[in-house]
Amino acid sequence: EAQVTQNPRYLITVTGKKLTVTCSQNMNHEYMSWYRQDPGLGLRQIYYSMNVEATDKGDVPEGYKVSRKEKRNFPLILESPSPNQTSLYFCASSLMGLGEKLFFGSGTQLSVL
Amino acid sequence: GQQLNQSPQSMFIQEGEDVSMNCTSSSIFNTWLWYKQDPGEGPVLLIALYKAGELTSNGRLTAQFGITRKDSFLNISASIPSDVGIYFCAGQLNSGGSNYKLTFGKGTLLTVNP
Repeated sequence: EAQVTQNPRYLITVTGKKLTVTCSQNMNHEYMSWYRQDPGLGLRQIYYSMNVEATDKGDVPEGYKVSRKEKRNFPLILESPSPNQTSLYFCASSLMGLGEKLFFGSGTQLSVL
Repeated sequence: GQQLNQSPQSMFIQEGEDVSMNCTSSSIFNTWLWYKQDPGEGPVLLIALYKAGELTSNGRLTAQFGITRKDSFLNISASIPSDVGIYFCAGQLNSGGSNYKLTFGKGTLLTVNP
């Protein structure tokens, strides 16, 4: 089954404790992206990657890092999480970056205390 | 960056009523997309529009790509309880090569009372 898998689904952590949210897709998509969803603000893009070793900033990249060492994986790294990064995070992948081919994961609800 | 204004922010309707929501942009797009997000899940594509003036249906859903390429609307007819969720518009612009920039609206939260 074609899917985007994020882990964990829920995460509670404390300020400053490094964490990684994993994302994996099994569709051989070139394009992968991370979004955060906040009430009243919709979906905002954090980082995206057009292919292996090719990453670029989205609209809200501050406080986040990503890497794309393999085509299927695109982890999101918070080196020093802060409470304003409490949010619902979505990973997505797409064939050639086309929005109509965009598949989303089920989300990671992160709480930073 | 580009701004998408999506309205209304939320709607409370009775089952059986029709629903209309829209998005406007400060600049043009090549493609307009409408997604639905069920509670606890990621967004899923409902309709994709590729040409100015295009009107496309998917069951009880109808969406249009505005003539100016700066707006789009989504209509849901005869709403049912499972229509509950957040609806997002998104505009896509191919700014050259394979660089497809996708911009999302802030979403419309739809509640349907049985």
